[in-house]
Amino acid sequence: NAGVTQTPKFRILKIGQSMTLQCAQDMNHNYMYWYRQDPGMGLKLIYYSVGAGITDKGEVPNGYNVSRSTTEDFPLRLELAAPSQTSVYFCASSYSSGLEAFFGQGTRLTVV
Amino acid sequence: AQSVTQLDSQVPVFEEAPVELRCNYSSSVSVYLFWYVQYPNQGLQLLLKYLSGSTLVKGINGFEAEFNKSQTSFHLRKPSVHISDTAEYFCAVRGGGSGTYKYIFGTGTRLKVLA
Repeated sequence: NAGVTQTPKFRILKIGQSMTLQCAQDMNHNYMYWYRQDPGMGLKLIYYSVGAGITDKGEVPNGYNVSRSTTEDFPLRLELAAPSQTSVYFCASSYSSGLEAFFGQGTRLTVV
Repeated sequence: AQSVTQLDSQVPVFEEAPVELRCNYSSSVSVYLFWYVQYPNQGLQLLLKYLSGSTLVKGINGFEAEFNKSQTSFHLRKPSVHISDTAEYFCAVRGGGSGTYKYIFGTGTRLKVLA
């Protein structure tokens, strides 16, 4: 049982480039989330999804896009990378209200 | 809207000493509360959770937390810490009502256990 899998683990982008951070879970969870973690700031919610075909913005959605075509996958797209998007990105999933979220190992992104 | 405040950004403590990491939350609805631990270069791992019932919750690695509704707090405690407890700890809240899906995290407390 792999849980939540994120790829890649590390990536360096140049300003203006695009990329997709992949996230997959094999626990049949309805809810999926993308967070970014910056030093001293905790985790900030970027986007979340309550099921296939349904997504919504979190606290810091600007510069990002998501899609949820299947229950398992929840990719995060950066269209025009900016230095402010240098961060560690975590994907998470949960099954139902009140239960804990399970986290992936993170993607460390640097934009130069 | 919910929010979480972790009052200490860093807590140094000697090995085998007790520790308390503080967490206060704000919410207009009933909540579920969580503590997560993050070791260097890893994801977040659940330590414990409060959903309902007994206000004293026991988790993994000897940690426990007490839910105090009147003080809107959910402080994490361990009676005797080990070097291996050195990590960052996050308190999180999720609304208990229907239609509430988001986990809101505090800014984290870095626990450093000294030999």
